[in-house]
Amino acid sequence: SQQGEEDPQALSIQEGENATMNCSYKTSINNLQWYRQNSGRGLVHLILIRSNEREKHSGRLRVTLDTSKKSSSLLITASRAADTASYFCATDKGNYQLIWGAGTKLIIKP
Amino acid sequence: DTAVSQTPKYLVTQMGNDKSIKCEQNLGHDTMYWYKQDSKKFLKIMFSYNNKELIINETVPNRFSPKSPDKAHLNLHINSLELGDSAVYFCASSFLDEAFFGQGTRLTVV
Repeated sequence: SQQGEEDPQALSIQEGENATMNCSYKTSINNLQWYRQNSGRGLVHLILIRSNEREKHSGRLRVTLDTSKKSSSLLITASRAADTASYFCATDKGNYQLIWGAGTKLIIKP
Repeated sequence: DTAVSQTPKYLVTQMGNDKSIKCEQNLGHDTMYWYKQDSKKFLKIMFSYNNKELIINETVPNRFSPKSPDKAHLNLHINSLELGDSAVYFCASSFLDEAFFGQGTRLTVV
């Protein structure tokens, strides 16, 4: 099965800075979702953006979607130490199957 | 109360053994999944159940079998375990495009 790709694979920034992660995918989608996984834990749903949406906000999170380029970005503003985690994008074609990328490991340095 | 719970959290077993991982969700969702996360953090769907009917069965070995005694449970049985089965297995349920994950079961085959 095809998988999305996130970049960068790893990102280390200072607390308070903004973090941007990107995701690219290969097929048409119904929606794209971002999840966070803390070390050794399950995944937590962060935000969903539908194929007819271009931008969505949730607290310090901002997600954009460009269906023509088959890409999405997740921006975390004013990063905090608690944001340290791996972030995954998952695309949904509407057939109960989420296709996942390998994730971006984000480290926030105090 | 945990929404999606899976047990055990850790499982160490010898090659050739048969083991089961249990999953329960108290969210009333109709769709449940099993995912495998490998050492490179790729998440790959293994099975999806909707109203107790198997919807997706990816090309996983038939040593893996999902069993759903009722809508709230989707257990994963693995026969004749192999070294390559070592991974973290996640159970999830979904409603309206959002997936809720369990904490994962780290399976180590020795």
